[in-house]
Amino acid sequence: AQTVTQSQPEMSVQEAETVTLSCTYDTSESDYYLFWYKQPPSRQMILVIRQEAYKQQNATENRFSVNFQKAAKSFSLKISDSQLGDAAMYFCAYRSAGDSWGKLQFGAGTQVVVTP
Amino acid sequence: DAGVTQSPTHLIKTRGQQVTLRCSPKSGHDTVSWYQQALGQGPQFIFQYYEEEERQRGNFPDRFSGHQYPNYSSELNVNALLLGDSALYLCASSRRSQGWQPQHFGDGTRLSIL
Repeated sequence: AQTVTQSQPEMSVQEAETVTLSCTYDTSESDYYLFWYKQPPSRQMILVIRQEAYKQQNATENRFSVNFQKAAKSFSLKISDSQLGDAAMYFCAYRSAGDSWGKLQFGAGTQVVVTP
Repeated sequence: DAGVTQSPTHLIKTRGQQVTLRCSPKSGHDTVSWYQQALGQGPQFIFQYYEEEERQRGNFPDRFSGHQYPNYSSELNVNALLLGDSALYLCASSRRSQGWQPQHFGDGTRLSIL
């Protein structure tokens, strides 16, 4: 069974600064997908960024980028030029490529606090 | 284009009661998954429905059951409620033919057990 670990319960960042959230996972599979989801107080899970394990290039979406280290089983999220609207709970999630039904395995989450 | 909608938004029950939560998937989606998110934790997969059948199930007891209707909407039923069932219940939908495309989530139902 796969496990996803987020070791930082909370991270604080000032507006316009950069923050990096860590995520490690344990799997014996070679093909899988990784995601970062954002959950604001409104509770809805919003997809931030995704990475296919077979791709060596790190995914980027505007101010959000990842550092995917397959050998180390590490998948960190960098938020650049932080904005007040980035304040939320961030979850790292794993999906096996062999699972056609798409079950997601989530970490415990990291609370991001943005200060003016 | 309506996203995933869940009802009710908040529900209060007492131990031993039964509850039904509802979910309408995003337009064009045919697969519905349910997750339980306890306070301060990440979501845990409960089960998934496609073509009105349960296709995959997580590590949850039989007290948790579900249903999917021909219009793809889904229900989550929990019997004999326990205090530990207090959580946010999230519904997520996807379109099976789109393969690995990520799931879309609703705003959840907050279930409180007294």
